[in-house]
Amino acid sequence: DAGVIQSPRHEVTEMGQEVTLRCKPISGHDYLFWYRQTMMRGLELLIYFNNNVPIDDSGMPEDRFSAKMPNASFSTLKIQPSEPRDSAVYFCASGTRTDTQYFGPGTRLTVL
Amino acid sequence: QKEVEQDPGPLSVPEGAIVSLNCTYSNSAFQYFMWYRQYSRKGPELLMYTYSSGNKEDGRFTAQVDKSSKYISLFIRDSQPSDSATYLCAMSNFGNEKLTFGTGTRLTIIP
Repeated sequence: DAGVIQSPRHEVTEMGQEVTLRCKPISGHDYLFWYRQTMMRGLELLIYFNNNVPIDDSGMPEDRFSAKMPNASFSTLKIQPSEPRDSAVYFCASGTRTDTQYFGPGTRLTVL
Repeated sequence: QKEVEQDPGPLSVPEGAIVSLNCTYSNSAFQYFMWYRQYSRKGPELLMYTYSSGNKEDGRFTAQVDKSSKYISLFIRDSQPSDSATYLCAMSNFGNEKLTFGTGTRLTIIP
């Protein structure tokens, strides 16, 4: 298996622009998680899905962030409008259980 | 106060030394405890998984949980330069599906 696939790997954008991050989970995994990692705050759970249904989005920082999972093999995390404080590494993870998660390589986002 | 506290380091030790990494937590409902290893510019990967109290050994790695003290540890024996990474502890409640992560300890093994 190719593992969790994320795209793009790097994204540089200007403040106010829309950013879309993409994730393809491992086939057969029922759970999908979106995390954000910064030096200051560590790894933060933003939202997670079970069988394509959002279960907990309490970590989504504000209305500028939205996530969708239209089918079992694809999810997006969108930031609109983006701000410099959104600069971070965004990870997608998947698993058949919530306590055993397989992480993707991450998307390094820089908002200027 | 954070639910999970972890010393960020950095921690540098010579090759071959025994390494001890630790986390403390405040939520007594945590039942499942994990250690993830994250190499530079990579995603975290699950290293060790334990349930409730006790020890678990896997090769050079030993995970230890002391629920009475709300304290977990990861020991690395005969440390190697390839062990240089950031180690994150994680834990979850029974019935609560979210993982709560520590901030990670950056470890460097000096050849």
